[in-house]
Amino acid sequence: QVQLVESGGDLVKPGGSLRLSCAASGFTFSDYYMTWIRQAPGKGLEWISYISTGGSTLYYADSVKGRFTISRDNAKNSLFLQMNSLRAEDAAVYYCARGNWNDVRLLDYWGQGTLVTVSS
Amino acid sequence: QSALTQPASVSGSPGQSITISCTGTSSDVGAYYFVSWYQQHPGKAPKLMIYEVSNRPSGVPNRFSGSKSGNTASLTISGLQAEDEADYYCSSYTRSSTLVFGGGTKLTVL
Repeated sequence: QVQLVESGGDLVKPGGSLRLSCAASGFTFSDYYMTWIRQAPGKGLEWISYISTGGSTLYYADSVKGRFTISRDNAKNSLFLQMNSLRAEDAAVYYCARGNWNDVRLLDYWGQGTLVTVSS
Repeated sequence: QSALTQPASVSGSPGQSITISCTGTSSDVGAYYFVSWYQQHPGKAPKLMIYEVSNRPSGVPNRFSGSKSGNTASLTISGLQAEDEADYYCSSYTRSSTLVFGGGTKLTVL
C-alpha cells in the first residue's frame, strides 16, 4: 500500500536550517509529482512547494521562495525539503503528499507529518 | 496567492445535509475544474474526499458530493453522521501553476 513517511522535524533557532525527508513506498515514486504542505498549530493548510516527476519543474509559495528548496531522489524513493533562514512563522507540521502524473491538482496520499519548531 | 474563502464553521444534526462553500477567483477556482476537498480529523493527516470538483476517490461514501459555479465551489454532505465531524479544506490549482487552499471549515455534528 502507498506509504509516505516524513522525518527530520526538530527544534531549530530562528535563522537556522533544517532538511526534511519523505520516504515513499508502495508505488512507482518516479511517476508522480510530489508536494510539501504545512500546517501551523491551530491553523489551516498551506501549500509550500511541489516538484515534477523528474525534478526539473519546481514551484514555491511566495512565503518560502528563496529560502526553501525542494528536491527528490527517484532512485531512493525520497522527497526532500531544505529549509534555510527559518523564521518563527515557519513553525508547523510539514506533510508530504502525492500528486498525479502531471501536476498537483489532487493530493491522494499524505504522510503523517513531521513537526518543525522554530524558537530561540 | 490569497487563500480561498471558506466559512469558519458549519453545523448540522445527524441525517441532515450541509454545504460548505469555497470562493476563489477567476485565476483559481474559476479557471479550471481542479478543485479538491480534504477532510482532516484532529491530529490526523488530511484525506482526499473530492477531486476535480465532483469526483470521489474509491472508498469515499457517496454522501459526499461536490460542485462548482463560477468562482465558487461547494462540498455537500448528505445524511450527516457523527464521524463526519472534522475540518474540511478546499484547494484549487491556479493559473500560475500553484496550489491554494481554503482557510478550512470546522464541521460540527450536533
